[in-house]
Amino acid sequence: EVQLVESGGGMVQPGGSLRLSCAASGFTFTSYAMNWVRQAPGKGLEWVSGIRANDGSTHYADSVKGRFTISRDNSKNTLYLQVNSLRAEDTAVYYCAKVGVGDRPGRVGVWYFDLWGRGTLVTVSS
Amino acid sequence: DIVMTQSPDSLAVSLGERATINCKSSQTILYNSNNKNYLAWYQQKPGQPPKLLIYWASTRESGVPDRFSGSGSGTDFTLTISSLQAEDVAVYYCQQYYTTPSITFGQGTRLEIK
Repeated sequence: EVQLVESGGGMVQPGGSLRLSCAASGFTFTSYAMNWVRQAPGKGLEWVSGIRANDGSTHYADSVKGRFTISRDNSKNTLYLQVNSLRAEDTAVYYCAKVGVGDRPGRVGVWYFDLWGRGTLVTVSS
Repeated sequence: DIVMTQSPDSLAVSLGERATINCKSSQTILYNSNNKNYLAWYQQKPGQPPKLLIYWASTRESGVPDRFSGSGSGTDFTLTISSLQAEDVAVYYCQQYYTTPSITFGQGTRLEIK
């Protein structure tokens, strides 16, 4: 079955850290860029970070740059997001999302998302 | 960053009637070299993750009912549901991927039954 399953969320105090994971199955993980998109309670979607498949290059929203680190383990078909120095405004459901078009060497890519996980909730509160 | 602005923020439509959601980008998302508009539409039902409906502004994702259609070019886009069904109650988002990897979403439009 083609799916993404996130884990690792929870409640953490301001300034704390978590490591989010996303287990992928049912498709060739190594062929696709992967992303994290978050949604604060009752709010819209916000792109957080993405990582390409071909060269492993990483990209971040300005709101998380320097605090969050995206990575992938292709041998485990797993995507990660290390979230540090958490703030109240980071409280959200974090979704893992697969890009709809496979990565090609030398191509920028087109990041729309054809597969989403159910999300993992991160709550930052004292 | 390209700002995506949806209108209206919410709307209520009767069952069987047409629903129209608009999305405007702050700059063109039409790539001249391939004549493609770098726009996607998603549907998010309560308690669920988003679901891809349309990409390249007008290409329906596999399995999406044909009552959903996308149109527009350049900076102005529309998602149309030709005959609203009860299961279409959701929040709808547009997303530009012209500036991949820095993609942006619209703020969302809540669709309800009148």
